[in-house]
Amino acid sequence: DVKVTQSSRYLVKRTGEKVFLECVQDMDHENMFWYRQDPGLGLRLIYFSYDVKMKEKGDIPEGYSVSREKKERFSLILESASTNQTSMYLCASRTRYEQYFGPGTRLTVT
Amino acid sequence: AQSVTQPDIHITVSEGASLELRCNYSYGATPYLFWYVQSPGQGLQLLLKYFSGDTLVQGIKGFEAEFKRSQSSFNLRKPSVHWSDAAEYFCAVGAGGSGNTGKLIFGQGTTLQVKP
Repeated sequence: DVKVTQSSRYLVKRTGEKVFLECVQDMDHENMFWYRQDPGLGLRLIYFSYDVKMKEKGDIPEGYSVSREKKERFSLILESASTNQTSMYLCASRTRYEQYFGPGTRLTVT
Repeated sequence: AQSVTQPDIHITVSEGASLELRCNYSYGATPYLFWYVQSPGQGLQLLLKYFSGDTLVQGIKGFEAEFKRSQSSFNLRKPSVHWSDAAEYFCAVGAGGSGNTGKLIFGQGTTLQVKP
């Protein structure tokens, strides 16, 4: 079974803090994705990565950056957290035809 | 622009009743279509997918979906709903053929409540 894990299920940070969300997949997938999920908006793509050190902006990249130093790990970084970044963050990795999702990190910025 | 619309934000059905969740998409190229389910506190799980061929696709947990190109729809159905089906359901579209980048566009989601 494909497994995608995220470092935290719940996270509470203060405004202005630098926040790291980690995602690890165990299936040697080249493509990985970060989404945020908000009620009534579905999932929106923040960033994705085709391979190590390769990244591309999604639909809502503002306020976020990413890092992919190893194939199995894809990190989402909030350089200076703001309250409007309070959300559920979902990571996914992909075979050719299917995306596999992690359990999500619910981030609250106070 | 590419988009996915799930017209029903919230649906309530009685246990044992049939279910249909609607999904309409706007996509210029050959679409890949997906339905995902998210149980409370969980990530998304793939229910079924359509790439080509038979327009009626079978998925896990007794779900099926029908692709209708003329209506730009990919509605999800189940003949008899179980209490454990209560969850949020997402329709998604991705690029098909040579344009397959793996990027998905998701609908807003439909929350299913099941009455005993």
